[in-house]
Amino acid sequence: DGGITQSPKYLFRKEGQNVTLSCEQNLNHDAMYWYRQDPGQGLRLIYYSQIVNDFQKGDIAEGYSVSREKKESFPLTVTSAQKNPTAFYLCASSARDGSYNSPLHFGNGTRLTVT
Amino acid sequence: GEDVEQSLFLSVREGDSSVINCTYTDSSSTYLYWYKQEPGAGLQLLTYIFSNMDMKQDQRLTVLLNKKDKHLSLRIADTQTGDSAIYFCAENGSSASKIIFGSGTRLSIRP
Repeated sequence: DGGITQSPKYLFRKEGQNVTLSCEQNLNHDAMYWYRQDPGQGLRLIYYSQIVNDFQKGDIAEGYSVSREKKESFPLTVTSAQKNPTAFYLCASSARDGSYNSPLHFGNGTRLTVT
Repeated sequence: GEDVEQSLFLSVREGDSSVINCTYTDSSSTYLYWYKQEPGAGLQLLTYIFSNMDMKQDQRLTVLLNKKDKHLSLRIADTQTGDSAIYFCAENGSSASKIIFGSGTRLSIRP
C-alpha cells in the first residue's frame, strides 16, 4: 500500500543538539511538506518542496533545514537555533501544488521532545 | 493575510448530529477541505468541496459552503464514539503551493 512513513514516532534530544526527522513517501508525489503542530494552534508550515532539488521556506522556517535529493524523501533537521523545538512534526505530500484538487496525504507524525 | 478560524471544542451526545463550523478569509480559494486527526496520528482527508458548489453529501457527512459569508460547515449525522477526533478545516488559498489550516475543533462524544 502506498503511503508516507515518518520515523521515529518519538524522539528525545538534549538542548543544543541537531536532530533529523525522516519522511519517505511511495505515492510518487511531486510535492512534500513539513508542518509543526502545537496544541490549540493548528498546523504551521515549516518548509515545502514542489520538485527534487528545490524547496521553499514556509511560515516558520527559522531554526530548521531540509533537503530534497530524491523524490521519495524529504528529511527535516531541527537545529540548535530553533528556540522551542518540542512539538509534533507532520510530513505530508501531494500529487501537485495546491492550485488543483491535490489534497495533502499525511504521515503519522514524529513527537520531538527536547530537554 | 489568509486565515482560517474554527472553534476549539464541541461536545455532542452519541446519536445526535455534530456541526463543526469554519470561516475563512481568502475568497480566491478553489477547494476547501475537512481533515480528521485521531490521537497521536496524522491528518486524514475526510471530504472536500469545490468553491462553485453549495453542498456536498457523502454518507453521514454533509458539507455546506456559503461563499458570500466565507463560511464552511461539516455536519456528521448520527455521531458515534469513533467520530471523536480533531477536525481541521483547510483552504488552498491564493498561494498555489500552500494549504492553510484552521486550528482544529476537538469533537468529544457524550454517552
